[in-house]
Amino acid sequence: SSELTQDPAVSVALGQTVRVTCQGDSLRNYYANWYQLKPGQAPILVIYSKNNRPSGIPDRFSGSSSGNTASLTITGAQAEDEADYFCDSRDSSGNHVVFGGGTKLTVL
Amino acid sequence: QVQLVQSGSELKRPGASVKVSCKASGYTFTKDAMNWVRQAPGQGLEWMGWINTNSGNPTYAQGFTGRFVFSLDTSVNTAYLQISSLKAEDTAIYFCARGLYDGYGYYFDYWGQGTLITVSS
Repeated sequence: SSELTQDPAVSVALGQTVRVTCQGDSLRNYYANWYQLKPGQAPILVIYSKNNRPSGIPDRFSGSSSGNTASLTITGAQAEDEADYFCDSRDSSGNHVVFGGGTKLTVL
Repeated sequence: QVQLVQSGSELKRPGASVKVSCKASGYTFTKDAMNWVRQAPGQGLEWMGWINTNSGNPTYAQGFTGRFVFSLDTSVNTAYLQISSLKAEDTAIYFCARGLYDGYGYYFDYWGQGTLITVSS
């Protein structure tokens, strides 16, 4: 079982704001990263480390964290944002990486 | 620009072995760690471990010890994942991913395109 917990599915109306969350005890000590995964494609890093956004990622993607919960927020969701989103971080030992189970985002 | 290019899909019989390659370009290969991530059909991402591209020292996640081996050929900037005694449950897409640490967190900034390994009799 994953040490990071995500909601299996979330939906958002086109142009609205959606938050995808990731919960785990290790998030009290380590930052979460977020990856977008579409079928047949390689994962894309969308938020990393101290809630940074890689170059080329639209600024509608943002990250935040509080306590044991990290959040990925998409402000003004677009049709192309429909994908699976995975968080990852260090595990409780700090020595290994663990992924959340993923959240399937549907843009209505 | 950074690129990770993986070898093509493979169909293997149970009990066989397979070696997946991940050729890096656009950066100094021995400067950054290489990680391996698995995605089984209909499942999420699973971190398999990483290899220190400077020392060659591998670290394996729980569940990926014994039959899984990470290796390098630094002369051609390539990382390898070898899986022996293949089982049907090894059927998955295998990704390589560069790991970076920026002083705050560890993350995977570039990924290979993935290699589908199908194990079937």
